[in-house]
Amino acid sequence: KNQVEQSPQSLIILEGKNCTLQCNYTVSPFSNLRWYKQDTGRGPVSLTIMTFSENTKSNGRYTATLDADTKQSSLHITASQLSDSASYICVVSGTFSGGYNKLIFGAGTRLAVHP
Amino acid sequence: DGGITQSPKYLFRKEGQNVTLSCEQNLNHDAMYWYRQDPGQGLRLIYYSQIVNDFQKGDIAEGYSVSREKKESFPLTVTSAQKNPTAFYLCASRGGTVSYNEQFFGPGTRLTVL
Repeated sequence: KNQVEQSPQSLIILEGKNCTLQCNYTVSPFSNLRWYKQDTGRGPVSLTIMTFSENTKSNGRYTATLDADTKQSSLHITASQLSDSASYICVVSGTFSGGYNKLIFGAGTRLAVHP
Repeated sequence: DGGITQSPKYLFRKEGQNVTLSCEQNLNHDAMYWYRQDPGQGLRLIYYSQIVNDFQKGDIAEGYSVSREKKESFPLTVTSAQKNPTAFYLCASRGGTVSYNEQFFGPGTRLTVL
């Protein structure tokens, strides 16, 4: 079954600290993996996208890693800010029979950054 | 929210009513999608359209209907047959290269059944 599991479900950190969010997936065949940031009551916004051949990608203070062999990804946030408080969603894209491309969404990790 | 608008932001529906959620994009994207988001769950695909005048059911299409008469517009109707419609609805469109195939999301519509 194609699934994306994220951990932890929620996380509280102090402003200025680093944190790492985890994503494990069983989607096959694999096309790419994305991390989205979703503020409360808003639509998700893309942070990074990685294909099979990429094992790390950065976007400012956000760094995503991908291990396609173990089917794991992580999102590392450096020097957290209050504005980082949001849900972070891991999404895996698979290309299935007939060229149909489908996104499988994780349930997200809710991050709260406290002053 | 990158060129995709959804309206209204909040919508209230009475039992037995049909309601229509609007989604418009000015990104010149061919493909558009509707997702439903419930607390503690990943987004689930309702309907998608790869081209004008064509659309396909997603994983949870029952109780919903769509149309795609224009490239820019992909409205979603939540019918009275949808028994649990209270949720956050997200529209997306797809662009970018074949490898990345990125979807861009609108700001969402929160639907509540009274």
